[in-house]
Amino acid sequence: GENVEQHPSTLSVQEGDSAVIKCTYSDSASNYFPWYKQELGKRPQLIIDIRSNVGEKKDQRIAVTLNKTAKHFSLHITETQPEDSAVYFCAASRNTGFQKLVFGTGTRLLVSP
Amino acid sequence: DTEVTQTPKHLVMGMTNKKSLKCEQHMGHRAMYWYKQKAKKPPELMFVYSYEKLSINESVPSRFSPECPNSSLLNLHLHALQPEDSALYLCASSQGDRETQYFGPGTRLLVL
Repeated sequence: GENVEQHPSTLSVQEGDSAVIKCTYSDSASNYFPWYKQELGKRPQLIIDIRSNVGEKKDQRIAVTLNKTAKHFSLHITETQPEDSAVYFCAASRNTGFQKLVFGTGTRLLVSP
Repeated sequence: DTEVTQTPKHLVMGMTNKKSLKCEQHMGHRAMYWYKQKAKKPPELMFVYSYEKLSINESVPSRFSPECPNSSLLNLHLHALQPEDSALYLCASSQGDRETQYFGPGTRLLVL
């Protein structure tokens, strides 16, 4: 089955810096890659997603890149703000009748003012 | 609107109790999911109802049983749980079985 690795497990940056989180996946048939942000005690919230037919997607300060050949994808957050502090999960999915998301282990991002 | 609601928010139960978790969405989504999330871990898929067909993660013990009364409701029936079942139980839904999943706020369950 699919296995998703995520690095780093914790990331501390200063406000205004950029943050990059990287994930690798094992199943070459995976074709959907969402990123979720989870604040303490809250639900995971989708922040951006990408499908295997594109290499990059951007939404304001957030961007995701996908390298299908290397089987890795990354989340880039620019101009970080304290409210970006949360746990970020990447996920990969292969559509086989239903969408089974396999999550990475999570990255705890701390943005210091 | 991307609202998925779950009740109750918190639940404490003994190992001999029977309880149910409820999830509801009014977005016309045709797929609904139950996830279990332990502290500092990612969500793990338990069950999927997609177009009213159930798919099961075979590692989920039988003390958890899902029920889908209609396309907007999803229940999770709990019976004879163990303390290690204490976790955050998240419901999610998606428009189709290949679309983005949106999560509810979760039910925090404590089994004593």
